[in-house]
Formats: sequence, structure tokens, C-alpha cells
Amino acid sequence: DAMVIQNPRYQVTQFGKPVTLSCSQTLNHNVMYWYQQKSSQAPKLLFHYYDKDFNNEADTPDNFQSRRPNTSFCFLDIRSPGLGDAAMYLCATSRDRPSGNNEQFFGPGTRLTVL
Amino acid sequence: AQSVTQLDSHVSVSEGTPVLLRCNYSSSYSPSLFWYVQHPNKGLQLLLKYTSAATLVKGINGFEAEFKKSETSFHLTKPSAHMSDAAEYFCVVSDRSGYSTLTFGKGTMLLVSP
Repeated sequence: DAMVIQNPRYQVTQFGKPVTLSCSQTLNHNVMYWYQQKSSQAPKLLFHYYDKDFNNEADTPDNFQSRRPNTSFCFLDIRSPGLGDAAMYLCATSRDRPSGNNEQFFGPGTRLTVL
Repeated sequence: AQSVTQLDSHVSVSEGTPVLLRCNYSSSYSPSLFWYVQHPNKGLQLLLKYTSAATLVKGINGFEAEFKKSETSFHLTKPSAHMSDAAEYFCVVSDRSGYSTLTFGKGTMLLVSP
């Protein structure tokens, strides 16, 4: 089945220690998204790639970076995690550019704990 | 600009009784509307979507929603709740024309008691 895969499902890191979260997709979609979801809150879009074009949301902290080496993979790098970065990180894809006509498909998420 | 208001943060029902989760939206353009469900420690699963066709939309697991433009509402219903329906539900809006990301409501936690 075509799907969005996130690894690992659970990640523990130390305060200030860089961490990378991984997302891959077999849908061959052009767009990949990263969302941050804190406990009991709605997902918040951090950034997305439309093919190789990177689009950062205005309020995404500089501490968060992303890489998309090819169509299938996208990475979220947190350069110096703080306690406030503990959250569920969701990866999503859509076939074409962000719009109401393009459904987003979500992965299962990676829960990040910062000690 | 677009926004979503989910009117209830928590809804409690008994198994076998109807479910109603309320959602109002605001959109400058023609909206697409979605309901997503999230079970604990899981990703988001699409329940149903409205993009411009029939105003009554049927989704998975017996859920349906009706788009009412005059009321700017997109309430989610199910005739009979099941224990497995207990989860968080998000109403989401996106403009159908042009570039538009998803705008999420704050979510409604559905609790189902035996």
C-alpha cells in the first residue's frame, strides 16, 4: 500500500543535542509537509517542500530546518532542542501544491521527548 | 483569511447513541472542508471531505457531515457511537482556489462510555 512512513515512532534526545526525524513516502507526491503538534493542541505547520522549493512558515523558529534530498524522503532537523520542542511531529504529503483541492496524507508521527 | 471554530472541546456520549461534533468556518473564497480523526499517539486519518460536490458528505466508519453555506457550518454526525470512535476530531478548512495550506480547528475530544 502506498503510504507515508515516519521513523522512528518515538525519539528521545537531550536538551541541546541535535536530532533528526525522518519521513518517507511511496505516493510519489510533489509536496511534503512537517507539522508540530503539542499535547492537546492542533497541528501547526512548520514548513513544506513543493518539489525542491522550500517554504517556511513565518513563525517557525530558526532552530528547525528541513532537507529533501529526493522525492521520497524529507528530514526535520532540530539543531538545539529545548524542553518546549517536545511534541508529536507529523509528516504529510499531497500530490500537488497546497490547496483545498489537494488532500494531505499523514504519517503516524514521531513523538519527541527532550530530557 | 480562513479560520475554523470547533464549538466543543469535549463531547461525551454513550455507546449506541448519536454523535454530533460541531464546526463553523470562515473563508474568503470557496472552501474545502475536512474532518480528520486522531487516535492516541497516532497520526491523522481523513474521515471525509467536502470540495464542491454534494453538500452531504459520507465518510468512513459511518460518519457524515453536511456543508451549510448559509450557516457556515460543517458539523460531523454519526447515528450510533461505538467505543472505537473515542478519539480527537479536527475540523479543517482550506481554500479551493489558489495557494492555501490547511487551517485546523482546536479539536474535539469524543469520549464514549459503555
